[in-house]
Amino acid sequence: SAVISQKPSRDICQRGTSLTIQCQVDSQVTMMFWYRQQPGQSLTLIATANQGSEATYESGFVIDKFPISRPNLTFSTLTVSNLSPEDSSIYLCSVDPGTGGYTFGSGTRLTVV
Amino acid sequence: GESVGLHLPTLSVQEGDNSIINCAYSNSASDYFIWYKQESGKGPQFIIDIRSNMDKRQGQRVTVLLNKTVKHLSLQIAATQPGDSAVYFCAERGPGTASKLTFGTGTRLQVTL
Repeated sequence: SAVISQKPSRDICQRGTSLTIQCQVDSQVTMMFWYRQQPGQSLTLIATANQGSEATYESGFVIDKFPISRPNLTFSTLTVSNLSPEDSSIYLCSVDPGTGGYTFGSGTRLTVV
Repeated sequence: GESVGLHLPTLSVQEGDNSIINCAYSNSASDYFIWYKQESGKGPQFIIDIRSNMDKRQGQRVTVLLNKTVKHLSLQIAATQPGDSAVYFCAERGPGTASKLTFGTGTRLQVTL
């Protein structure tokens, strides 16, 4: 199965700043997915990132707040912009390797102060 | 920091007993289902999957049952061990949804000695 390297693993950021999270996959994948996991909650899909096209955002998530880049088939970034304490969450990337099961990165724990 | 699953329903099981974790899914047209295990500070880890044309699938110490009539999924863990303590999520993939997964609310499994 695909192996995902996600970084940073955690960060503490000031209000109003931005954080960019990177995910690198060890194989080429068509779609990458970005999730948010608020404290003590389940995973909520933010957007689906396809290489060469704009990301598709889920209801309640907008590109201005969560810009995504997908420059090639093995890499994607998610930026969380204009941070507020409500953005404190774990952010996770995921891929569908096409062989069953969706693989997840280890997550980025963001704390906004 | 706050751990994963702090506010989720909890199932307490004695070491050596069998565990049954249940999940109600939302889309009757979903064609693929996955169970994930998430330990604190880590991303979700694939346990077992099942396609909608099956009603049971077995792995090593784990069995997934699918009841499409009532949109219910269960994960059975045999001879539960302390290392099984974690939060468990079911996820469904609906047809025509660009392969994205929708996650259930999750259950925290606590194994007592």
